[in-house]
Amino acid sequence: DAKTTQPNSMESNEEEPVHLPCNHSTISGTDYIHWYRQLPSQGPEYVIHGLTSNVNNRMASLAIAEDRKSSTLILHRATLRDAAVYYCILRQGGSEKLVFGKGTKLTVNP
Amino acid sequence: DTGVSQNPRHKITKRGQNVTFRCDPISEHNRLYWYRQTLGQGPEFLTYFQNEAQLEKSRLLSDRFSAERPKGSFSTLEIQRTEQGDSAMYLCASSLAGRAQHFGDGTRLSIL
Repeated sequence: DAKTTQPNSMESNEEEPVHLPCNHSTISGTDYIHWYRQLPSQGPEYVIHGLTSNVNNRMASLAIAEDRKSSTLILHRATLRDAAVYYCILRQGGSEKLVFGKGTKLTVNP
Repeated sequence: DTGVSQNPRHKITKRGQNVTFRCDPISEHNRLYWYRQTLGQGPEFLTYFQNEAQLEKSRLLSDRFSAERPKGSFSTLEIQRTEQGDSAMYLCASSLAGRAQHFGDGTRLSIL
């Protein structure tokens, strides 16, 4: 299973943008980059995913490096409700399983 | 969309007992997944179903674990002869083919 590397923790201030990095130097051509987050005492929640091009949705933006060896999840204006563990996951094309690492614990300060 | 429902939310049992958890997926989702999460770690994949067929099982799923999805709707995960190391959060997710997985809030298992 392809591996991802994320910082253990990050801090942000409310209403400021947050850039959560992820390295995946061993990514293969058919791997999709997925981001999920997990709030305390809840199951993971889908945030966004992409293959090669940058992606935007109502929750976040995903910026994918040209060589696809890294990506960045962007929360445009952090709120206290964005405090969670954020997981960057590579999902092999044709495979259904998600392989989670330890993720990045995001703290949002008021 | 009522979300993925898991029952019970908490289960406390003595070592050696059998336990069964239930997962009700989002109604139109044909894919159902089980994961296990221990404290401080990300979820680990256990198994997944497409309709009633169990298509993939992790090596983590020992012979004491069995999962079923008899009619392609709800699923059960049974652990026989529970051990201390089985203490964890058991998460269920469902999806349509190729779409994002929607997770329930899990069943927390504590082994005394």
